[in-house]
Amino acid sequence: QKEVEQNSGPLSVPEGAIASLNCTYSDRGSQSFFWYRQYSGKSPELIMFIYSNGDKEDGRFTAQLNKASQYVSLLIRDSQPSDSATYLCAGPTQGGSEKLVFGKGTKLTVNP
Amino acid sequence: GAVVSQHPSRVICKSGTSVKIECRSLDFQATTMFWYRQFPKQSLMLMATSNEGSKATYEQGVEKDKFLINHASLTLSTLTVTSAHPEDSSFYICSARKSGYNEQFFGPGTRLTVL
Repeated sequence: QKEVEQNSGPLSVPEGAIASLNCTYSDRGSQSFFWYRQYSGKSPELIMFIYSNGDKEDGRFTAQLNKASQYVSLLIRDSQPSDSATYLCAGPTQGGSEKLVFGKGTKLTVNP
Repeated sequence: GAVVSQHPSRVICKSGTSVKIECRSLDFQATTMFWYRQFPKQSLMLMATSNEGSKATYEQGVEKDKFLINHASLTLSTLTVTSAHPEDSSFYICSARKSGYNEQFFGPGTRLTVL
């Protein structure tokens, strides 16, 4: 069973700080990873996806993928209280699969 | 865009009844749709994968006769919870995937409460 592991937190950062969320995965053949944000009582919302080693930036969000070490991270710069949510990391259940396996999520709180 | 809708958003039913949940991709054709269930404070658990015009593929431990899935078109999939019981109470979420893309886009979810 392919797994995606996340530090369940909770993670608390002050407003304006950088929030760092991390995820490790077990399947070395996995090629793509996704970060979703889920507000309490709501469904997940896609924030970013990353396929290649290195960094991918989109606004205040940066996803980082390190295939050699099998980890993927999400950095949120200039954190805002509205970023407070649970962040889910997801990867394919096996290399090339269309199905995703989700981590348990990291709950982030940004304090004003 | 990639908008996915679900209906109803919330349903309360009596034990033993059946409930149908619709999932629609509004602005794209979804070659594959997925059904998830999420219990409080837990992560998403994939129930089944639905492809248009073919039978759904169920994950281990999910009863296909209890959770009936129909994927009648490239924009519509339905999940019917048959003979619902209180332990079926959960947050059911569908997602849809565009042809040629790996990302899944989620519907807003349906909160089912079985009395």
